[in-house]
Amino acid sequence: QKEVEQDPGPLSVPEGAIVSLNCTYSNSAFQYFMWYRQYSRKGPELLMYTYSSGNKEDGRFTAQVDKSSKYISLFIRDSQPSDSATYLCAMSESSNSGYALNFGKGTSLLVTP
Amino acid sequence: NAGVTQTPKFQVLKTGQSMTLQCAQDMNHNSMYWYRQDPGMGLRLIYYSASEGTTDKGEVPNGYNVSRLNKREFSLRLESAAPSQTSVYFCASSELAQYFGPGTRLLVL
Repeated sequence: QKEVEQDPGPLSVPEGAIVSLNCTYSNSAFQYFMWYRQYSRKGPELLMYTYSSGNKEDGRFTAQVDKSSKYISLFIRDSQPSDSATYLCAMSESSNSGYALNFGKGTSLLVTP
Repeated sequence: NAGVTQTPKFQVLKTGQSMTLQCAQDMNHNSMYWYRQDPGMGLRLIYYSASEGTTDKGEVPNGYNVSRLNKREFSLRLESAAPSQTSVYFCASSELAQYFGPGTRLLVL
């Protein structure tokens, strides 16, 4: 069993919809959680970085961590066609230098006008 | 402030040829990483360098070598390229979260 599971999609939504992207994980030692956005033929771009449980909001994006359920989510409000990309979750046990990130395989999102 | 830069952007090699992928960061980060990304496999760590002067193997190090030249630069070398090394290679650097470069697309024929 992979440590981080993420539904590959594709997920197709109309413009303006609320999008929910999710990952589950098995390692209870994970404390740091990240979401990356990757456009086609580009490098992953850091969207959100959170520590432990709770919510974090940044503009239209909200990251949510539920450590008791080993489940993290990224919500996108008022989705736009420019949000069409692959979204990768990532997590680690430590923030020390040289830590290993455990990635999900990514969910492909398409926002249609 | 360019962040993480990678060269070349694209490369075609024949089996058995060698090449070095270059990576540089201007964020004064201590740690740097090399990943490969393949369809259906996600991002896999090849090697990383926790700080200048140190390197460690990741999940898929076979067929690769790395050099942490200084704090800014971390190179990845393929000594004898194989078709299985056809992939997109990403360099990243970090203090807390990891920041990625634009990638190098490598095709080995």
